[in-house]
Amino acid sequence: GQQVMQIPQYQHVQEGEDFTTYCNSSTTLSNIQWYKQRPGGHPVFLIQLVKSGEVKKQKRLTFQFGEAKKNSSLHITATQTTDVGTYFCAGGAGGTSYGKLTFGQGTILTVHP
Amino acid sequence: DGGITQSPKYLFRKEGQNVTLSCEQNLNHDAMYWYRQDPGQGLRLIYYSQIVNDFQKGDIAEGYSVSREKKESFPLTVTSAQKNPTAFYLCASSMTGGAPDGYTFGSGTRLTVV
Repeated sequence: GQQVMQIPQYQHVQEGEDFTTYCNSSTTLSNIQWYKQRPGGHPVFLIQLVKSGEVKKQKRLTFQFGEAKKNSSLHITATQTTDVGTYFCAGGAGGTSYGKLTFGQGTILTVHP
Repeated sequence: DGGITQSPKYLFRKEGQNVTLSCEQNLNHDAMYWYRQDPGQGLRLIYYSQIVNDFQKGDIAEGYSVSREKKESFPLTVTSAQKNPTAFYLCASSMTGGAPDGYTFGSGTRLTVV
């Protein structure tokens, strides 16, 4: 079945440093979504990417979808302590599985003030 | 306020007992999902339902059962056949058509089996 791998598993940064997490799928995706889960909380939807090579920005966050639609990345510029949490990518396969997502393992981000 | 409610927040059960986790949404979403979250393993899909009275197994359905008798409700039963039931369980819902606005998650139920 479809597998979505996410690296790194953990990332510790000093406040103000940049952060990137990468997501790779074993199969071509129809779409990819990103979620953030604060410590003790539940995942919250951030964004969806659909088009090959798509780049979207949300303030300090930049999301990319690869040309082959098998990989994606999330980059945070100048991290802040409010960025702490686990970031998940989730890939959609399309077809009869339309709407069903496979989640990566997540990257746990710690930001030291 | 529209949202998705899971109850209870914490649940303790003895080994060998079945337990049912509640999930209710008032977002008028057609699709609902159950995920299990374990440290270092992300979210793994247990069951999902795209319409009332229909549901499909996810990647780790063994030892679990669900029903979808109403659009708003998607309860999950953790049976005694589930080998390692202690985990954080998350329910989610989405619009059909590929969930373009993402999943909305409940706040989760933390199940501990002793």
